[in-house]
Amino acid sequence: DQQVKQNSPSLSVQEGRISILNCDYTNSMFDYFLWYKKYPAEGPTFLISISSIKDKNEDGRFTVFLNKSAKHLSLHIVPSQPGDSAVYFCAASAGSPTLIQGAQKLVFGQGTRLTINP
Amino acid sequence: DARVTQTPRHKVTEMGQEVTMRCQPILGHNTVFWYRQTMMQGLELLAYFRNRAPLDDSGMPKDRFSAEMPDATLATLKIQPSEPRDSAVYFCASGFFVGPEKNTEAFFGQGTRLTVV
Repeated sequence: DQQVKQNSPSLSVQEGRISILNCDYTNSMFDYFLWYKKYPAEGPTFLISISSIKDKNEDGRFTVFLNKSAKHLSLHIVPSQPGDSAVYFCAASAGSPTLIQGAQKLVFGQGTRLTINP
Repeated sequence: DARVTQTPRHKVTEMGQEVTMRCQPILGHNTVFWYRQTMMQGLELLAYFRNRAPLDDSGMPKDRFSAEMPDATLATLKIQPSEPRDSAVYFCASGFFVGPEKNTEAFFGQGTRLTVV
């Protein structure tokens, strides 16, 4: 049961253009969403997050958009740079902060490999 | 410079042997996650702890995997007996999760690459 889905295994974008990575989720209880970037032989590193009370969060070249009705989020990178080439994971968590089964666990998608071409 | 530390970085073992992976979370974080990276599933959640209490280990094969947190500075993931299909990169992550407006992100270690031959 894949609750967080990244349907594009790979994406190729020209340097300087916009990269758009997409993520869909099925659990309507998710209230906190994150994007991570991963280089080979390293652990994932945090990029940007958004809570469900917002529909947009921006940090420099990175913007995350959340469409709750469609259960969809996207990451926009503009302008794309060669150093952005990596695997990008979206993640989501749900639930109250109380100590209940399943609360606040962080579920990841399968990842999208982004390649920025010079 | 706070970071999540995982040991060993690489482990090669024979089928049937016991494997123990260790993780030192960032001090002050209340949540520790264990993930396995596979081609098909991406980052697959195996187990997680809040304030050292196991909350969910439904992602783990129960008969051979076990996860514990004997103290606040150490989380372990054990496989006994190991099988070739367990070969993967295992990540530990820690974070401070109390609600969507106050959560930190999860910080990942560099992973343990396990090869079972």
